[in-house]
Amino acid sequence: QVRLVESGGGVVQPGGSLRLSCAASGFTLTNYGMQWVRQAPGRGLEWVALIENDGINKYYVDYVKGRFTISRDSSKNTVYLEINSLRAEDTAVYYCAKDPPTRWGMDVWGKGTTVTVSS
Amino acid sequence: DIVMTQSPLSLPVTPGEPASISCRSSQSLLNSKGYNYLDWYVQKPGQSPQLLISLDSGRASGVPDRFSGSGSGTDFTLKISRVEAEDVGVYYCMQALQTPITFGQGTRLEIK
Repeated sequence: QVRLVESGGGVVQPGGSLRLSCAASGFTLTNYGMQWVRQAPGRGLEWVALIENDGINKYYVDYVKGRFTISRDSSKNTVYLEINSLRAEDTAVYYCAKDPPTRWGMDVWGKGTTVTVSS
Repeated sequence: DIVMTQSPLSLPVTPGEPASISCRSSQSLLNSKGYNYLDWYVQKPGQSPQLLISLDSGRASGVPDRFSGSGSGTDFTLKISRVEAEDVGVYYCMQALQTPITFGQGTRLEIK
C-alpha cells in the first residue's frame, strides 16, 4: 500500500528554519518524482517544489527560491523540504505528494504537517 | 505562469442532480504527445486533497464513474452525473504541463 507520512512541522519564530520530512512506503522514491504543496489557513492549494525521480532535477515556485530546498534520501525512502528565513506567510499545512508514473502530478497525498510562523 | 480559473466558486446542488465545474487555463495544456496535462482534485472536509481525474489517464482508482472529465487546450469541465452527499468538498483543477504547477482557486460544492 502506497503511503506518505509528513513530519517536522511546528511553531517557529519569523526568520527561523524547519526541515519537513515525508516518509514514503509501498514504492521506491527513485522511480517517482515527488512534490510539496502547501495550503495556508482558509486558502487554496499552492504548489511549492518538486524533485524528479533522478533526484537531480528540482523545481520551485519563484517566491520560495533561495529559501526552500527539496531533497531526498533514497536509503531512507524519504523526501525533505528545508525551509529557511521563515515568514508569517509561510504558515500553512504542507503536503507531500507522489507523481504518477509518467509525468508531474499528485496521485497520492500525505495527511500534511502544519507550520506556524509566529513570534 | 499558467493561470487556472475555475467557475463557479460556489456550487449548491440538490442530491441526485448533476453538477458541472469549469476550468480555463491561460495557455493550452496540450503537450507534444497530444495529451492535456490537466488534473482534478477534491478536498473533502478535514481531509487531504485526493486525485479524482487525470485527463490523460482517466479516473483515479476507486473514483465512481459518475465523475467525468473532458476538454482540451484551454477549456475543461468536471461533471458529476448525480451528486451524492459524500461529494461535498472543494474541487480544484491543476495544470501539470509546466512549472510552476498551478491550481485553480477551488470550487466549493455543497448540498442544498
